[in-house]
Amino acid sequence: EAQVTQNPRYLITVTGKKLTVTCSQNMNHEYMSWYRQDPGLGLRQIYYSMNVEVTDKGDVPEGYKVSRKEKRNFPLILESPSPNQTSLYFCASSLRGQVYEQYFGPGTRLTVT
Amino acid sequence: GNSVTQMEGPVTLSEEAFLTINCTYTATGYPSLFWYVQYPGEGLQLLLKATKADDKGSNKGFEATYRKETTSFHLEKGSVQVSDSAVYFCALNDPAGGDSSYKLIFGSGTRLLVRP
Repeated sequence: EAQVTQNPRYLITVTGKKLTVTCSQNMNHEYMSWYRQDPGLGLRQIYYSMNVEVTDKGDVPEGYKVSRKEKRNFPLILESPSPNQTSLYFCASSLRGQVYEQYFGPGTRLTVT
Repeated sequence: GNSVTQMEGPVTLSEEAFLTINCTYTATGYPSLFWYVQYPGEGLQLLLKATKADDKGSNKGFEATYRKETTSFHLEKGSVQVSDSAVYFCALNDPAGGDSSYKLIFGSGTRLLVRP
């Protein structure tokens, strides 16, 4: 089954404790992206990647890091989480030439206290 | 820059009622327009799309027409069902927008609640 998986689905952590949210897709997609979803703000892009070892900032990259060492994986790293990073996070992937048709993971709800 | 504006929700309807969710956009080029749907507890999925002016996208009984003169892409359905309860996002992509051609710009989302 074609899918994007994220782990964990739910995470409660404390300020400053480094964490990683994993994302994996099995569709051989070149393009992968991370979004955060906040009430009233819709989805905002954090980082995206056009291919292995190619990443670029989205609209709200501050406080986040990503890496793309393999085509299927695109982890999101919060080196020192803060309460304003409490949000619902989505990973998505698509073919490079069809960015409009992104396949989304089920989401990770992160709470930073 | 490019942006998308959607009507505030929630929209509450009775089953079989007519649905309209308004969406307007601002774009410097000639964007493609999309509606995504997010069912409870799930990620977003593409519902329909239109790539040029006057195109009509349709899927699962939903329709939206790309109106360049009013910069709008309103979502409509003639008879909603309880199973249509979800959050609907309007989005645009500008394929000729250089670096921004690799982005989807989303509206804030409109929650639809359909009562039996």
